[in-house]
Amino acid sequence: QLQLQESGPRLVKPSETLSLTCTVSGGSISSSTHYWGWIRQPPGKGLEWIGSISYSGTTYYNLSLKSRVTISVDTSKNQISLRLSSVTAADTAVYFCARRGGDATRNYFDYWGQGTLVTVPS
Amino acid sequence: SYELTQPPSVSVSPGQTASITCSGDKLGDKYACWYQQRPGQSPVLVIYQDFKRPSGIPERFSGSNSGNTATLTISGTQAMDEADYYCQTWDSRTEVFGGGTKLTVL
Repeated sequence: QLQLQESGPRLVKPSETLSLTCTVSGGSISSSTHYWGWIRQPPGKGLEWIGSISYSGTTYYNLSLKSRVTISVDTSKNQISLRLSSVTAADTAVYFCARRGGDATRNYFDYWGQGTLVTVPS
Repeated sequence: SYELTQPPSVSVSPGQTASITCSGDKLGDKYACWYQQRPGQSPVLVIYQDFKRPSGIPERFSGSNSGNTATLTISGTQAMDEADYYCQTWDSRTEVFGGGTKLTVL
């Protein structure tokens, strides 16, 4: 059974960089048939897609966050990472990693991590 | 940018049919999927490619997508179906989520 687990600091100071890692177990991240994504959810609000990456490092990002976001992949560790710079209180959210199909017709996230709450104090 | 619109809330009596809509420009020309999210939990995929159910999802969950509207239908709604539901699609290399609908089973 594929499992995804987010990890990283739960508290980030304003203007600093948020860094999270998603470790995939029960399957290989080096699959050409899947992409891997980051999605966040502010407390009491809806889901917001941050960006996605393939095993080969092809990325695409939410345009509203693109200037601050970097997503990378480490196939040797079966991990994907998220960096979000210049954070503010508005970046406080539960951050999820998830697996997506690898083409336009499989535009759904079928496995999700449990999510991790990251707080940026105001 | 592309947008998906959902009603904030839908109410249904136990055993009845609940329908949750998701509207977007020519959404029927794209694939839509749906997630269920219970409080404090991660989203769970319940419908993909408009109407397909992942393994383990009860048959009472069904989906359709035509014109500008995708619809998630829950037949014989149970108390355990009370949750937030989100639609999602893909447009111009962007994943787009609807704002979510809170389903209340009265």
